[in-house]
Amino acid sequence: QLQLQESGPGLVKPSETLSLTCTVSGASIRTTSHFWGWIRQPPGKGLEWIGTLSYTGITHYNPSLKSRIAISGDTSNNQFSLWLSSVTAADTAVYYCARHDSPRGYFDPWGQGTLVTVSS
Amino acid sequence: QSVLTQPPSASGTPGQRVTISCSGSSPNIGSNYVYWYQQLPGTAPKLLIYRNNQRPSGVPDRFSGSKSGTSASLAISGLRSEDEADYYCAAWDDSLSGVVFGGGTKLTVL
Repeated sequence: QLQLQESGPGLVKPSETLSLTCTVSGASIRTTSHFWGWIRQPPGKGLEWIGTLSYTGITHYNPSLKSRIAISGDTSNNQFSLWLSSVTAADTAVYYCARHDSPRGYFDPWGQGTLVTVSS
Repeated sequence: QSVLTQPPSASGTPGQRVTISCSGSSPNIGSNYVYWYQQLPGTAPKLLIYRNNQRPSGVPDRFSGSKSGTSASLAISGLRSEDEADYYCAAWDDSLSGVVFGGGTKLTVL
């Protein structure tokens, strides 16, 4: 059974870089035709796609965040990570990782999510 | 302001049928599949409908999706108290080259 779990600091200072890791169990992140995504949800608000990593290592990023984000995979630990630089209070959100059926497809399953607060 | 437009709220009584709309445009719903997610209070979203009208295994057939032109709908029949949740539509947008979500609809079971 495929499961994903986010981990990382719950508090990040403004202007610093947010770093989160998603640990995947039940499948290899390099399995052919598997994609892996990050989605966030500010408190009380809706969902926003951040970006997706393909099994080949190719990435697709939300154009509105592209200048500040990077996503990469660690096959030895079967994890993929998100870095978001120059954070502000607007980046405070619950961050979810999920398997992405394809860059144009659906997210399933999702991790439980981790709250990241940007504050000094 | 979300690219896909959903009503902020919807409601119904147990046993009723409710529908939630999702309005988009040609580059997104008009050209690509629509997906629906259910987010129960305090939990992560869960895939409810994929490729416009397909249900993942385990999703009751009370839930159905449809798409026409640049709009999509989620219908829930035989409404139950456990259906009280936030519902989000999503699609790929060819112009933005990214996944876009609706703003979400909070469903209340009266």
